Amino acid sequence: GAVVSQHPSRVICKSGTSVKIECRSLDFQATTMFWYRQFPKQSLMLMATSNEGSKATYEQGVEKDKFLINHASLTLSTLTVTSAHPEDSSFYICSHRESNYGYTFGSGTRLTVV
Amino acid sequence: AQTVTQSQPEMSVQEAETVTLSCTYDTSENNYYLFWYKQPPSRQMILVIRQEAYKQQNATENRFSVNFQKAAKSFSLKISDSQLGDTAMYFCAFMTANAGGTSYGKLTFGQGTILTVHP
Repeated sequence: GAVVSQHPSRVICKSGTSVKIECRSLDFQATTMFWYRQFPKQSLMLMATSNEGSKATYEQGVEKDKFLINHASLTLSTLTVTSAHPEDSSFYICSHRESNYGYTFGSGTRLTVV
Repeated sequence: AQTVTQSQPEMSVQEAETVTLSCTYDTSENNYYLFWYKQPPSRQMILVIRQEAYKQQNATENRFSVNFQKAAKSFSLKISDSQLGDTAMYFCAFMTANAGGTSYGKLTFGQGTILTVHP
């Protein structure tokens, strides 16, 4: 099946700085990538859908200016957390939908803002 | 809007025993897919099993099987011969589809059930 490679797996940053998370499709071309946020022992919440060559679609309540999504090529989607604050600390996961088979997920990024 | 409900926040089972995780959903759609995903301590999401709503036959994958009750909007997961490696958080998920199977909706997750398998 499809493989989604997500980096970094863990990142610690200072409050006020920006962090970029990358998701790469290794053996397929992804026109769409989904970005989720997950707090400990909670469910995955969809943040936004990135679309290759066009603007991302954000879910209600998600700050577009804080969570910048770029999908400049068919193999790379990025999520940048701008001016990060401790409340942005969370687990971020990207995923790709394989037709009706289901979703393939990246390994996730644990972001800690200090 | 679709909703998925998992009413068991935590479950535990002895190794080699059988456990059933519950899931109910609410939708007005007729075409959709249901999934169970597993998230072990590594936090990598892994597809356990999928079910097409138009199929009456319950899906099975080795030790994992589902009890799909479309009229009751219920989709439970049975794990037989539980193993220590089954310890994980399990998510029930729902995805709509058009009649032709060419367009799909977003994946909606339940709250999750933390399953612990004891030796």
